[in-house]
Amino acid sequence: EAQVTQNPRYLITVTGKKLTVTCSQNMNHEYMSWYRQDPGLGLRQIYYSMNVEVTDKGDVPEGYKVSRKEKRNFPLILESPSPNQTSLYFCASSLTLRRSPQHFGDGTRLSIL
Amino acid sequence: KNEVEQSPQNLTAQEGEFITINCSYSVGISALHWLQQHPGGGIVSLFMLSSGKKKHGRLIATINIQEKHSSLHITASHPRDSAVYICAVRSEGNEKLTFGTGTRLTIIP
Repeated sequence: EAQVTQNPRYLITVTGKKLTVTCSQNMNHEYMSWYRQDPGLGLRQIYYSMNVEVTDKGDVPEGYKVSRKEKRNFPLILESPSPNQTSLYFCASSLTLRRSPQHFGDGTRLSIL
Repeated sequence: KNEVEQSPQNLTAQEGEFITINCSYSVGISALHWLQQHPGGGIVSLFMLSSGKKKHGRLIATINIQEKHSSLHITASHPRDSAVYICAVRSEGNEKLTFGTGTRLTIIP
């Protein structure tokens, strides 16, 4: 089944404890992206990747890192999480940047205490 | 002013009614997306448009590039259509997606 898989789905952790949210897609998509969703602000793009080893900042990249060593995986890293990073996070992928719909993961609800 | 504005923010209608959700944007775009987010949180892509009109089942999406406006229509609405509908645009020459804040639709049986 074609899908985007995020893990974990839920995480409660404490300020400063490094964490990684994994994202994997099995559709051989080139474009992958991370978003956060906050009440009243909607979805905002954190980072995106056009292909392996090609990543770029979205609108809200501060406090986050990403890597794209393989086409299928695009982990989101919070080196030193803070409470303002408490949010609902979505990973998405698409075959190409401009001509393909986005496929979203199920979301990761992150709480930083 | 946000680059992407949706209206209305909230919409409640009776089952069977014709629904229209609007999206206006302020920049030149290469594509516009309509997404659906159900109460469980998952997001599904409904349409991707760069011109004209697309139809899928009871859903119709239109876009007017000159007026920088798109509409999502739902015919014969059903309670299972209750969700948040999100408009997103990809600006010309830009790899980023910018989202509206969504329209919460509730269909009452």
